[in-house]
Amino acid sequence: AQTVTQSQPEMSVQEAETVTLSCTYDTSENNYYLFWYKQPPSRQMILVIRQEAYKQQNATENRFSVNFQKAAKSFSLKISDSQLGDTAMYFCAFPRINAGNMLTFGGGTRLMVKP
Amino acid sequence: EPEVTQTPSHQVTQMGQEVILRCVPISNHLYFYWYRQILGQKVEFLVSFYNNEISEKSEIFDDQFSVERPDGSNFTLKIRSTKLEDSAMYFCASRSRDSSRNTQYFGPGTRLTVL
Repeated sequence: AQTVTQSQPEMSVQEAETVTLSCTYDTSENNYYLFWYKQPPSRQMILVIRQEAYKQQNATENRFSVNFQKAAKSFSLKISDSQLGDTAMYFCAFPRINAGNMLTFGGGTRLMVKP
Repeated sequence: EPEVTQTPSHQVTQMGQEVILRCVPISNHLYFYWYRQILGQKVEFLVSFYNNEISEKSEIFDDQFSVERPDGSNFTLKIRSTKLEDSAMYFCASRSRDSSRNTQYFGPGTRLTVL
């Protein structure tokens, strides 16, 4: 069975500092994608960043970057220069390629950015 | 930028009543999904839909649930006889056929409250 684990239920960071959110997963697939979604208090699910497993280069989107360790099945999200608007739940997600790409989500990490 | 829309934003219903949640996926997308998130819990897959039929469904998606694409734009989730435990946020998502992207885009969600 495919699992996604986020071991940090809650984290906090001072504004302008850097924070890293952890995610590990288990799969037997070789080519796949991994995603981080952000869910602010409005509860909308917003795509933050995507990583393709066959690419060795870590994905980057402005202040957001990933540390993808395929052998360790680890996919952490780094947020640089944290802003108050980054306060949200963050979910790591993994699609099952052979099952209609249904997403399996981790339990989420609640991030609080403090002024 | 095109986006997934969902209506209503909040639905309150009595236990045993039927509800229909509506979604308008991104126009050139071909794969459609429903997920739900009970308050404080992780996001769970319900069903995926492609080429006018269900491609995958979870154990949650029992006979009380159905999906339909009644026209070229709408994608609906029907719950025939709601239960208290159906109270949750329901998210619609869509994805293009372009396998190089493989990204699901989420709507803002419908908050369903069953009394």
